[in-house]
Amino acid sequence: AQKVTQAQTEISVVEKEDVTLDCVYETRDTTYYLFWYKQPPSGELVFLIRRNSFDEQNEISGRYSWNFQKSTSSFNFTITASQVVDSAVYFCALRGYNKLIFGAGTRLAVHP
Amino acid sequence: DGGITQSPKYLFRKEGQNVTLSCEQNLNHDAMYWYRQDPGQGLRLIYYSQIVNDFQKGDIAEGYSVSREKKESFPLTVTSAQKNPTAFYLCASSPWTGGDRYGYTFGSGTRLTVV
Repeated sequence: AQKVTQAQTEISVVEKEDVTLDCVYETRDTTYYLFWYKQPPSGELVFLIRRNSFDEQNEISGRYSWNFQKSTSSFNFTITASQVVDSAVYFCALRGYNKLIFGAGTRLAVHP
Repeated sequence: DGGITQSPKYLFRKEGQNVTLSCEQNLNHDAMYWYRQDPGQGLRLIYYSQIVNDFQKGDIAEGYSVSREKKESFPLTVTSAQKNPTAFYLCASSPWTGGDRYGYTFGSGTRLTVV
C-alpha cells in the first residue's frame, strides 16, 4: 500500500524561528516521486518541489530546504527564519499509480 | 495565462439537492482530477479522467458523479446520496495521469456548505 504520513497537525512559531515539517511515506515502488505543496488561505495548492527516488541530494531554495532520506522513508521540509507569509497548510505527496497520494497536511502559523 | 478555473468559489446547498461544481482548464492537459479536502484528512481523490469520455472512480466516489465530454471541462455533481457533502473541493489537471514534474496544477477550489 502507498501512504503518506504527516504527523504534525499544527505548528506554531514566532517569526524568524526555524521550523521543520515532517513527512514519512510508504511505497513498494523502486522508482517514485515525492512532492511538497503549499496551500495559502486562498485555497490553491502551490507546487514547491519534486524529488525522485534516485536523487538523495538535499535541496535548498532560498529559505526552504528539503532533506530526503530513503533509509528512513522521510522527506522533511525546513523553513529557515520563518516569516508571517509562510503561514499556510503544507502537504507532502507521493506519486502513485494514476494519482497523487497526499498526507493530511501540516498547518503552520507564524506569529509576528 | 493558462490555468484552471473553478466556479463558484462558495456554494450553498439545501439537503436533498444535487449541485454541480465547474472545472475548466486551458492547459491542454489530458488528465483531470477531483479531490475533496476535509480538516485533518488531507486530500482524498473522488474521480479522475485520463481522456475525454472516460473517467475512473477514486477513493471516495460514492455520492458523486462526473462527466468528461470536452477536454477542457470536468464538472463534478454532488448528489443527494452524498451523506456529508460539506467540504472544500479541488480540481486539478496534468498532461498525463500521475502528473508531470509539477505533479498537478490545481484550481482555487469551491467551498460547498449544506444548509
